[in-house]
Amino acid sequence: SQKIEQNSEALNIQEGKTATLTCNYTNYSPAYLQWYRQDPGRGPVFLLLIRENEKEKRKERLKVTFDTTLKQSLFHITASQPADSATYLCALQKYNQGGKLIFGQGTELSVKP
Amino acid sequence: ETGVTQTPRHLVMGMTNKKSLKCEQHLGHNAMYWYKQSAKKPLELMFVYSLEERVENNSVPSRFSPECPNSSHLFLHLHTLQPEDSALYLCASSQEPLLAGGYNEQFFGPGTRLTVL
Repeated sequence: SQKIEQNSEALNIQEGKTATLTCNYTNYSPAYLQWYRQDPGRGPVFLLLIRENEKEKRKERLKVTFDTTLKQSLFHITASQPADSATYLCALQKYNQGGKLIFGQGTELSVKP
Repeated sequence: ETGVTQTPRHLVMGMTNKKSLKCEQHLGHNAMYWYKQSAKKPLELMFVYSLEERVENNSVPSRFSPECPNSSHLFLHLHTLQPEDSALYLCASSQEPLLAGGYNEQFFGPGTRLTVL
């Protein structure tokens, strides 16, 4: 069965450092991979989408890579700030499955001042 | 904030009660979704409505009954729930992916925290 795994442990880093979160998947061939941010008690918020034929995507301090050979995506936050503390979710989507997103369990990031 | 509102934000119900969750989107989208989020588990897709037709029912028990009267509103009717149904129920909306290039970003509401006693 298809499976998505994100860093199971919470990630604690110092302000100003780069946070790197991992999303690995098996038994799935996504056309798109999305990253969302979720704060406690709130719904997820879309951050970035990357297509299967793209290696890397950037948006301000965020960078996402997508390696379909390794079946892995890395999500980087550079110059991290305490306000970046949240849970980050990756989600996979196939081209012909409409809006069906398959989510990972999320990685909790804590950025200490 | 995201253009998707959900009511109520919190709900406590007994196993014999009947209640409904409401979702409204103000974004002009034509696809809407219900997700269940339990502690330490991934979001589970429950139902998908596209252009007001149900296109996905992800093996959800019949005690959950969705309704989509128009493209802006989505309901989840609940009856004879079990304690294990306690979770955060999230509504989301998007443009219909097949009309938007094959993919979609989804806009989520704040969720309804449901507790079943």
